[in-house]
Amino acid sequence: DSGVTQTPKHLITATGQRVTLRCSPRSGDLSVYWYQQSLDQGLQFLIQYYNGEERAKGNILERFSAQQFPDLHSELNLSSLELGDSALYFCASNRGGAKGEQYFGPGTRLTVT
Amino acid sequence: AQSVSQHNHHVILSEAASLELGCNYSYGGTVNLFWYVQYPGQHLQLLLKYFSGDPLVKGIKGFEAEFIKSKFSFNLRKPSVQWSDTAEYFCAVNGDYGQNFVFGPGTRLSVLP
Repeated sequence: DSGVTQTPKHLITATGQRVTLRCSPRSGDLSVYWYQQSLDQGLQFLIQYYNGEERAKGNILERFSAQQFPDLHSELNLSSLELGDSALYFCASNRGGAKGEQYFGPGTRLTVT
Repeated sequence: AQSVSQHNHHVILSEAASLELGCNYSYGGTVNLFWYVQYPGQHLQLLLKYFSGDPLVKGIKGFEAEFIKSKFSFNLRKPSVQWSDTAEYFCAVNGDYGQNFVFGPGTRLSVLP
């Protein structure tokens, strides 16, 4: 157990819908990272937040957005969902430094039908 | 652009065989290098990391990796694999100034009993 929690574990929804994925980082971690893992694209970095502010952006679509709240939990919002958004979405956390190992959560498996 | 490549998509070995998984990166500036493992149905876990110093780093479960700066490589090795090493292995890199992590596409290792 890494100490990072994600909810829900599984999510099935239809195209065009909007969903919210939630992540609680390890106690004391200020940084949260979101990743998308799919069979054809591998593990793709989406976005990083540090202490409530966006720090780095990766291959995140405009239909996706994220935020980190004062209690440091983070939410990833996915809207206008397409079949291709079906994937495993991981959250990771660390203290925030570049040299810090990232601790990964168990992931949310999103299926868009 | 920053990128990480892993030489093999799928490696199949018998127990007690030696393992070497290749990883090459393209990243400007000082880098930090990581190997993560994802056992079936589980989240990613850190195997080992390199920041500076001795280019041969030892990780958990008997794994080690060697950083060869001139070749932009960070290959993972284990002298004798076990069935329990069956998993997906990811090489990752980030910059020393907190730039986002870039993961390789992963190598699936299957160890036959």
